[in-house]
Amino acid sequence: DQQVKQNSPSLSVQEGRISILNCDYTNSMFDYFLWYKKYPAEGPTFLISISSIKDKNEDGRFTVFLNKSAKHLSLHIVPSQPGDSAVYFCAARAVSGGGADGLTFGKGTHLIIQP
Amino acid sequence: KAGVTQTPRYLIKTRGQQVTLSCSPISGHRSVSWYQQTPGQGLQFLFEYFSETQRNKGNFPGRFSGRQFSNSRSEMNVSTLELGDSALYLCASSLAGLETQYFGPGTRLLVL
Repeated sequence: DQQVKQNSPSLSVQEGRISILNCDYTNSMFDYFLWYKKYPAEGPTFLISISSIKDKNEDGRFTVFLNKSAKHLSLHIVPSQPGDSAVYFCAARAVSGGGADGLTFGKGTHLIIQP
Repeated sequence: KAGVTQTPRYLIKTRGQQVTLSCSPISGHRSVSWYQQTPGQGLQFLFEYFSETQRNKGNFPGRFSGRQFSNSRSEMNVSTLELGDSALYLCASSLAGLETQYFGPGTRLLVL
């Protein structure tokens, strides 16, 4: 059972336009959400996070929106740049009695920025 | 500040052997988590160590084990390797486990 879903395996966007990556989750115990960017043969690089008590967090060109009632979050990249081409992973965390559980990841969306 | 480091970067083993992977967290980070990435299953949580104790565990068989030392460095061991253990093994560190996790470059394990 996939608790974090990224339904678009790939997304192509023109340079300078907005990239919107989507993520849905099913576990209502998730309280912290993160986006990571990954290049082949490298570890994921942290981009931005959001706590469940917020509905928006912004950091430069990156903004994450959280809709708890819909169990949906999205990452907006504006403007999109060629260096943004990578695989983007949505991840979620639930807090358990002994601290945080491990992150649960989606399968990733391959973002391709077209010149 | 130096990032998370993992050694070795690449490893080739044969079925039945065992392997030990090493992870050095970011200085000051006390929580270390391990993940397995495969094309079919994606990124999956193996376990988390904090203050030399395993605090959380994912859904993996007992062949996968780990430990953490007093300096927060961690090792992961896989015994009786199977072909399906071929994967990228990633280590991530955070201050105490509740904050953002920062990943190392990974160890690529190939089991023949």
